Amino acid sequence: SQTIHQWPATLVQPVGSPLSLECTVEGTSNPNLYWYRQAAGRGLQLLFYSVGIGQISSEVPQNLSASRPQDRQFILSSKKLLLSDSGFYLCAWSPRGQMNTEAFFGQGTRLTVV
Amino acid sequence: GDSVTQMEGPVTLSEEAFLTINCTYTATGYPSLFWYVQYPGEGLQLLLKATKADDKGSNKGFEATYRKETTSFHLEKGSVQVSDSAVYFCALRTRASYDKVIFGPGTSLSVIP
Repeated sequence: SQTIHQWPATLVQPVGSPLSLECTVEGTSNPNLYWYRQAAGRGLQLLFYSVGIGQISSEVPQNLSASRPQDRQFILSSKKLLLSDSGFYLCAWSPRGQMNTEAFFGQGTRLTVV
Repeated sequence: GDSVTQMEGPVTLSEEAFLTINCTYTATGYPSLFWYVQYPGEGLQLLLKATKADDKGSNKGFEATYRKETTSFHLEKGSVQVSDSAVYFCALRTRASYDKVIFGPGTSLSVIP
């Protein structure tokens, strides 16, 4: 069966520090991968999605970047965190090209920028 | 572009009350529709889905029917429990944008004893 791992679960970082959140998927190949952010009391904002190694689409211009160095690895990064980067970050995957299939989510990372 | 609109709440109900959370969508073609649930501090879980018009998705007492004529996918449950307290998200995928899952803003539900 497929599983998705996302870490760390919680993170407290000072303003101006770098960020690296990692997500890996097991049990499938060629997945679509997604990073979402959920600000406190708000909905889900799609940040990045990827349909293959090295292929990244950005939905919202901001202080973050994403990379996909391997088929089942998706990394969210920032060179210098802002206070506004605080939130709940969710990684997800879905089978490619199967619009009837849902996305599967990791447990999320709670990021607090102080 | 494709989008999902849902009542944002918060919704507060007494235990055993009837629940409806409205969801409407705008999409190119015929989307697949989903309801996700997020319990406090957790990621999202699929609650139910429907992939074509007039399909009814159901799970854990929740139901939603894909209504093409009204572009809606309203979530219902006949008798809510305290354990149903969570945030509920309506979402879609379309053939035009199948690489993305598009979410509504979420509806927070609190069920009180």
